[in-house]
Order: sequence, then C-alpha cells, then structure tokens
Amino acid sequence: DIVMTQSPDSLAVSLGERATINCKSSRSVLYSSNNKNYLAWYQQKAGQPPNLLIYWASTRESGVPDRFSGSGSGTDFTLTISSLQAEDAAVYYCQHYFTTPPFFGQGTRLEIK
Amino acid sequence: EVQLVQSGAEVKKPGATVKISCKVSGYTFTDQYMHWIQQAPGKGPEWVGLVDPKDEETIFAEKFRGRLTITADTSTDTAYMELSSLRSEDTAVYYCAIIPVPSMVQGVFGHWGQGTLVTVSS
Repeated sequence: DIVMTQSPDSLAVSLGERATINCKSSRSVLYSSNNKNYLAWYQQKAGQPPNLLIYWASTRESGVPDRFSGSGSGTDFTLTISSLQAEDAAVYYCQHYFTTPPFFGQGTRLEIK
Repeated sequence: EVQLVQSGAEVKKPGATVKISCKVSGYTFTDQYMHWIQQAPGKGPEWVGLVDPKDEETIFAEKFRGRLTITADTSTDTAYMELSSLRSEDTAVYYCAIIPVPSMVQGVFGHWGQGTLVTVSS
C-alpha cells in the first residue's frame, strides 16, 4: 500500500494569512503515461463528510474558492490557502488514488489564531 | 442533484453484524462504482471497499476481507455494506461515496453520504 503522511498535524494561522499543509507519499503517485499525479485534497468540518477540494494534485473542484491551491509532484505535495477565512477552520486530508486501496493521510487540523 | 442517503446510527454488541444502506438519486445507479469508507473517531478516513452495481463485483480492503459484504440492489438504487464479527475497533462513521463526475477515475470521492455511526459496545 502507498501510505500518505501529512505535516504538520495541526497549525494555527491568523485571518488573511497563508496556510500551508504538506503531504508525502511512500512512493510516487505520478503516472508516467499521462503525467498526472493521482492526489486529492479534502476539507472536513465537524459532523460532515469530507468535501473534495482538489484532484490531480492541482485541479480545483467546481465551486472551490481560488484561495485554495494544490502543488507538487511525485511524492511531495502541498495545499495552500492563500488568505485564510474564518470558514476555512477544518481538518484537511490528502489522499492518493494511484492504486487500490486509495489511502488518506492522517489529517491536519487548521485553526484560526 | 446527486444524493446519497444512508441509514441511521446503529449500536451493536461485539460479535454481532451490522448492515448499512445507501440509497442514491440524481444519477444512474449502475453507472458508478459505490465505495465505502470508514472513519474511526479522531482518525483519517480509510477505504473499505467498493461494489459495481451492474454485476455486484466487489473489491475489499485487506483489513476487512472475510468480514465484509457489499451488495447493490438495482431495483431500489440502494447499496449495502454488511460487517460481521464486530469488535470495538469497528466503532466508526461509515460513508458511501462515488466519483464527482462520470469521466473521473475511480478513487476521487466527490459525492458522499451523510455517514452512519456504528458503535460497538458491550
């Protein structure tokens, strides 16, 4: 299985500031034949299912604000929230879908400072 | 609008069996694999398995093999997840989920059920 590890486990960021969350896979999730990284990011608020933010490592899902962006390739990925809003307080998960089983990271809790 | 509506919370004793349902609307049930995902308290989600509603072919995570049954009833557009020999570590919220658009590869979860809490306690 490809294991996903996120860092940090939690962080506190002031409103309007940038938040950065990292995700590392135990082996590459870049598929060479289509040059796509099989990596997604989700946001989860208390009592709700995860909400898809980004797939193919950097493609925003429809309706996701453009302050959310994803980057990285191979084994190292980053989710950036460019200007933190109050409603962004949540737990964020990365997830690979390169092989079966798809695997989620342990999560990063983002709080407002 | 795509909707996945799950059955309500369950409380079970160790060793028992639980069966959760996920009724879909807003798309053709047989067009998408249905995935099931477990989320234990305070933990990240964990993929459990999937069913192809067209032929009920299934794939399970190794961790659940031997205890897990996933089925699909095309007459009611409902998928089911049954987990047997329950133990305390099975206490979790279980979600059904599908890909966000038909052209997407499997494994990206764009539509989720609301979740079903299963509590295993003596």
